[in-house]
Amino acid sequence: GENVEQHPSTLSVQEGDSAVIKCTYSDSASNYFPWYKQELGKRPQLIIDIRSNVGEKKDQRIAVTLNKTAKHFSLHITETQPEDSAVYFCAAYLSGTYKYIFGTGTRLKVLA
Amino acid sequence: KAGVTQTPRYLIKTRGQQVTLSCSPISGHRSVSWYQQTPGQGLQFLFEYFSETQRNKGNFPGRFSGRQFSNSRSEMNVSTLELGDSALYLCASSLEKTGFSNEQFFGPGTRLTVL
Repeated sequence: GENVEQHPSTLSVQEGDSAVIKCTYSDSASNYFPWYKQELGKRPQLIIDIRSNVGEKKDQRIAVTLNKTAKHFSLHITETQPEDSAVYFCAAYLSGTYKYIFGTGTRLKVLA
Repeated sequence: KAGVTQTPRYLIKTRGQQVTLSCSPISGHRSVSWYQQTPGQGLQFLFEYFSETQRNKGNFPGRFSGRQFSNSRSEMNVSTLELGDSALYLCASSLEKTGFSNEQFFGPGTRLTVL
């Protein structure tokens, strides 16, 4: 069945370092890949997304890369700050199914 | 625009009872999805509604059901509650457009505790 694997489950980095979170999806027809940030006690919020016709997208300190051949996409956060500490979720979506498949989340801790 | 709202925010029930959760989407959004969030499991898709029609359903037992009203507000119901149903239930709305734009906006969630 459809599945999205996300790694690592926890990640600790020093402030100013980079963080990378990786996801692998199973349905090769998936065509939209959002990333959500969920701070403690708050709702998930979209931070960046990428569509299948694009290989990379960047927004300030955040970037996402997509490798359709490997069915793999990654979130890159540079110059991490304490406020980046949160749980990050990746998801895969196939147009016409109206269904997002989420990864199990990565708890990122940025140490000051 | 007001964001997605969910009521109630917290709920405590006992095993065997049933519960109804409500979600009001962002004005103009016609698609509403529901998710169950538990520690370590991420967000598990329950179902998606558009114009009062369920378009997809996740792998949950029939005790989980939902509906959508003509104003796009949605409810989900869980009957015969089990301890394992304790979770944060999130709904999300999106603006249905042709093409790819499917950004979801989440509500704050309803925290359900089953005793």
